Amino acid sequence: AQKITQTQPGMFVQEKEAVTLDCTYDTSDPSYGLFWYKQPSSGEMIFLIYQGSYDQQNATEGRYSLNFQKARKSANLVISASQLGDSAMYFCAMSPDSNYQLIWGAGTKLIIKP
Amino acid sequence: DAGVTQSPTHLIKTRGQQVTLRCSPKSGHDTVSWYQQALGQGPQFIFQYYEEEERQRGNFPDRFSGHQFPNYSSELNVNALLLGDSALYLCASSLLAGLGDEQFFGPGTRLTVL
Repeated sequence: AQKITQTQPGMFVQEKEAVTLDCTYDTSDPSYGLFWYKQPSSGEMIFLIYQGSYDQQNATEGRYSLNFQKARKSANLVISASQLGDSAMYFCAMSPDSNYQLIWGAGTKLIIKP
Repeated sequence: DAGVTQSPTHLIKTRGQQVTLRCSPKSGHDTVSWYQQALGQGPQFIFQYYEEEERQRGNFPDRFSGHQFPNYSSELNVNALLLGDSALYLCASSLLAGLGDEQFFGPGTRLTVL
């Protein structure tokens, strides 16, 4: 079965601290892509970062980095120096090569405290 | 360059009615995917359209149907609405949604079924 698991329903983090959001995945496809999206209360999904299964290096995009551990099937999102505007729902998603859809986790609600 | 647009923003219907949601993809994109996101959950894939044909379908009943027009815009139709159809409906566009192709999302249509 192809599945994404996010085990943290909610997190509170102090402003300016780093935060790690967990994501584990399950697929038998040898080739796949992993995505992180941010969803503010307005509802729109905002793309943050992408990691391909064959990428040798962890992806980084500004304050976002993806800690990709293929053997453990984990793709954790790290946000450095968190800001109040980072408060939102965060979703991990997978795109297996055998499939056109994105498979989503249940999300983590992140709240940044001033 | 306009991103993905969806209309209407909000919609209220009663059980048994029919609804049509519309989506215009990002300029240059030829593939449109539709997702249903119930409150507090991750999105669920409904179907994807490419070259005016349904390329893949998720686990949704036949009450959910769609269409893609020659200009790549798309419609999602839901017949015989149920209370459980209340959700945020997200449209995403991409260029040939394959591995690693980022899907750009619209702001969504929030459907309430009474």
